[in-house]
Amino acid sequence: GAGVSQSPSNKVTEKGKDVELRCDPISGHTALYWYRQSLGQGLEFLIYFQGNSAPDKSGLPSDRFSAERTGGSVSTLTIQRTQQEDSAVYLCASSRQGSIHNEQFFGPGTRLTVL
Amino acid sequence: SQQGEEDPQALSIQEGENATMNCSYKTSINNLQWYRQNSGRGLVHLILIRSNEREKHSGRLRVTLDTSKKSSSLLITASRAADTASYFCATDALYNTDKLIFGTGTRLQVFP
Repeated sequence: GAGVSQSPSNKVTEKGKDVELRCDPISGHTALYWYRQSLGQGLEFLIYFQGNSAPDKSGLPSDRFSAERTGGSVSTLTIQRTQQEDSAVYLCASSRQGSIHNEQFFGPGTRLTVL
Repeated sequence: SQQGEEDPQALSIQEGENATMNCSYKTSINNLQWYRQNSGRGLVHLILIRSNEREKHSGRLRVTLDTSKKSSSLLITASRAADTASYFCATDALYNTDKLIFGTGTRLQVFP
């Protein structure tokens, strides 16, 4: 596809359940980012993948959060034992490798609601 | 932690007026970018200004950068109702250019 896609667009789950959020970056983009945005707030950085390097996990809020990127393309963000405070929009973005211009292309996001 | 902070947090204007949003950041940068977000979903890149540039234009957008004050401004001239959105600044870090840190955003409302 031409842009970054994310699925599902909306996810409602019960407290304590695990959820998986998917991101398909733009083809050829080696950098992939996950952000979280709570209602009316700015973007909170979660994790960053760049090529085959070890991911930068410095933004993950707890060990319930993890992410993988398979084959340098699709990424999955997993939240285990969800809590109500995990409710937010989760945004994925990708960018070209090594680009100092570093424009990021965003997906439409997944709105997660934890009941 | 967030690098940038925008002000004002919210701005309401009439169509045709100019809108100015400001961004302050904390550490040395290679570039600063502005993004727009509609309806709490994906962001769209608007403009990038490099640390050695002081001003840049793109259509009705004018961005300035003052690295001595660690601040930037985004001016939207002759605003339209369709400009209603949230606007975020984002900066890289001098030694980590692939990672952006986003500010808190300005919510702009343009009334027809």
